[in-house]
Amino acid sequence: NAGVTQTPKFRVLKTGQSMTLLCAQDMNHEYMYWYRQDPGMGLRLIHYSVGEGTTAKGEVPDGYNVSRLKKQNFLLGLESAAPSQTSVYFCASSDRLNEQFFGPGTRLTVL
Amino acid sequence: GQQLNQSPQSMFIQEGEDVSMNCTSSSIFNTWLWYKQDPGEGPVLLIALYKAGELTSNGRLTAQFGITRKDSFLNISASIPSDVGIYFCAGSNTGNQFYFGTGTSLTVIP
Repeated sequence: NAGVTQTPKFRVLKTGQSMTLLCAQDMNHEYMYWYRQDPGMGLRLIHYSVGEGTTAKGEVPDGYNVSRLKKQNFLLGLESAAPSQTSVYFCASSDRLNEQFFGPGTRLTVL
Repeated sequence: GQQLNQSPQSMFIQEGEDVSMNCTSSSIFNTWLWYKQDPGEGPVLLIALYKAGELTSNGRLTAQFGITRKDSFLNISASIPSDVGIYFCAGSNTGNQFYFGTGTSLTVIP
C-alpha cells in the first residue's frame, strides 16, 4: 500500500515550457487535491476533484489545468511555465471524512 | 482567500517541555485538522476535529476545536527530539476546500 505517490520528485523548466505532474493513490479515495507550498506560506489549493471525471478550481488556479480520467490518478498541467510557478507541489487524497493524505511533493523550478 | 493565523511562528524549547500553539480564522469552520511536516516530506495528519469544543488526543498530542469555531489549539506534552518539524493547522467549512495556516516551526533542544 503505497498511499499517495507523485512523479517526478524534481524538475527544472525554462519559462514557456510545459509539463505534467502525476499523482497516484491506491486508497480508493474519491477526493484528490493539488496544492502549492511557497516559503513562509501555508499550502494553497490549486485545483481539486470530487470524483473521476470531475474537477474544480481552488484558491490559486490560474496557469494550471488538471484532469481526473481515472479515479486513482490526478494530473496537474502547466501549459506555459512562469518563474512565479516555482514552488513545491503537493498532491493529496481523502475519503468522505476529508482527512487528507499527502504525497511527498514535487520540487519545481522555473528559470 | 481565507487567512488562518498560526502562532507562534517558531518555537525553541528544551526536550521534556510542553508545547502549545494555536490557529485562528476570520471565518467559522466545521472541521479542523492538524498536520506535521518534516523537511522534504509531505504533511502528515496528526489529529482531526469535527465538533466545537471537541478535545482529541493522539499519544502526547492533544488538540481542541474552539467553542467559537474560529480557532483551534494543539498541545504537545513532554517534547522529544523527533517532534521537530513544522506544524500546520487547516480548516474547512465545505469539506472540499481546506485552508492552511502558515505553520509553526518547532525546534527541540536535547
